[in-house]
Amino acid sequence: AQKVTQAQTEISVVEKEDVTLDCVYETRDTTYYLFWYKQPPSGELVFLIRRNSFDEQNEISGRYSWNFQKSTSSFNFTITASQVVDSAVYFCALRINNQGGKLIFGQGTELSVKP
Amino acid sequence: DAGVIQSPRHEVTEMGQEVTLRCKPISGHDYLFWYRQTMMRGLELLIYFNNNVPIDDSGMPEDRFSAKMPNASFSTLKIQPSEPRDSAVYFCASSWSMGGARTEAFFGQGTRLTVV
Repeated sequence: AQKVTQAQTEISVVEKEDVTLDCVYETRDTTYYLFWYKQPPSGELVFLIRRNSFDEQNEISGRYSWNFQKSTSSFNFTITASQVVDSAVYFCALRINNQGGKLIFGQGTELSVKP
Repeated sequence: DAGVIQSPRHEVTEMGQEVTLRCKPISGHDYLFWYRQTMMRGLELLIYFNNNVPIDDSGMPEDRFSAKMPNASFSTLKIQPSEPRDSAVYFCASSWSMGGARTEAFFGQGTRLTVV
């Protein structure tokens, strides 16, 4: 069975702090994709990143960085120097290559960045 | 491109009424998904289409739910009759195949359905 676990339900930080959102996934398939989406208070789901199972290279995009480790089945997301606008619910998701386009979402982590 | 467009943004209806949610995917995308978000169950896939053909509807909760995609630019999700437990945010998303690989899904802004 496939599963995504985001153990942190809520995180609260003060602006300019670094924060890491954890994501652990389960699958026996060798070909899969991992995603992060952001859901701000306005409600839409915004795509942040996609990673395939054969690419463990970490990625940095501005203040955002992602650490993919197959050995621990984790795909963690770090925001450096957090800002109030980063306040949102963040979802990690898994897509198995031979199961069409179905995304399996974690329960989400609500990040609150206080000024 | 305007992105995935859903209508209405909000819908309040009485139990027993028929509800139709609408979605216009991003032009050129060949996959369309309907997801539902609730506090209890999180985000779950209801059904998805490829080239207008339903591929997997195993997530559709029961026969009261139906979805159609008459053409590449329009899809509907219908609930008949609606029940209070159907209250949720319904998202439509689309993606496309590129060289055999599917890109990420882009989501609409969602329809918040309240059944009273």
